[in-house]
Amino acid sequence: GAGVSQSPSNKVTEKGKDVELRCDPISGHTALYWYRQSLGQGLEFLIYFQGNSAPDKSGLPSDRFSAERTGGSVSTLTIQRTQQEDSAVYLCASSLRAGGFNTGELFFGEGSRLTVL
Amino acid sequence: AQSVTQPDIHITVSEGASLELRCNYSYGATPYLFWYVQSPGQGLQLLLKYFSGDTLVQGIKGFEAEFKRSQSSFNLRKPSVHWSDAAEYFCAVGPPSGSARQLTFGSGTQLTVLP
Repeated sequence: GAGVSQSPSNKVTEKGKDVELRCDPISGHTALYWYRQSLGQGLEFLIYFQGNSAPDKSGLPSDRFSAERTGGSVSTLTIQRTQQEDSAVYLCASSLRAGGFNTGELFFGEGSRLTVL
Repeated sequence: AQSVTQPDIHITVSEGASLELRCNYSYGATPYLFWYVQSPGQGLQLLLKYFSGDTLVQGIKGFEAEFKRSQSSFNLRKPSVHWSDAAEYFCAVGPPSGSARQLTFGSGTQLTVLP
């Protein structure tokens, strides 16, 4: 597609349930990022994929969070046993490549708003 | 560790007025600096970036930002604000050259534009 696509745009779930959030990056972009945006907060880095390299998971807040990227394209962020504090907007971004001039030139999706009741 | 501070949580200006959004960073060297804008219900869009060279950078939508090393600042400016500029603005800092794996974002400044 022309831009980064995320689904679902809104997800309401009950505490303790698992959720999956999907990101389809711009075709040809090798770098993919997940961020979390809580109300009144900046963006919190979660995880980063670059090509076939091992992902940088240093931002994942707990072992309930995981992500995978299949075939170097679509990524899924999974939150197990959701808690109320997981409520936030989860943003996915992709870039042509990491490092160098394109560093930081991220293209963001519209986000998936997660509400945990 | 790198950090970004946007001291103004919310700014209100009248349409046609000038605008300056503040951003201060903490980093051991000269970082890469960015401004992103997030319109309601949208993802973030890159407005402009500074890597090196001329400290005054021009971006899209008539925005500009000035890097001031002595003040560790990268303030965003626009001479005449339009109603469509109402959005949330995020300053971000990233490590210079090499493989930057992540940016650090500020907490954002919400801009309201009065008619």
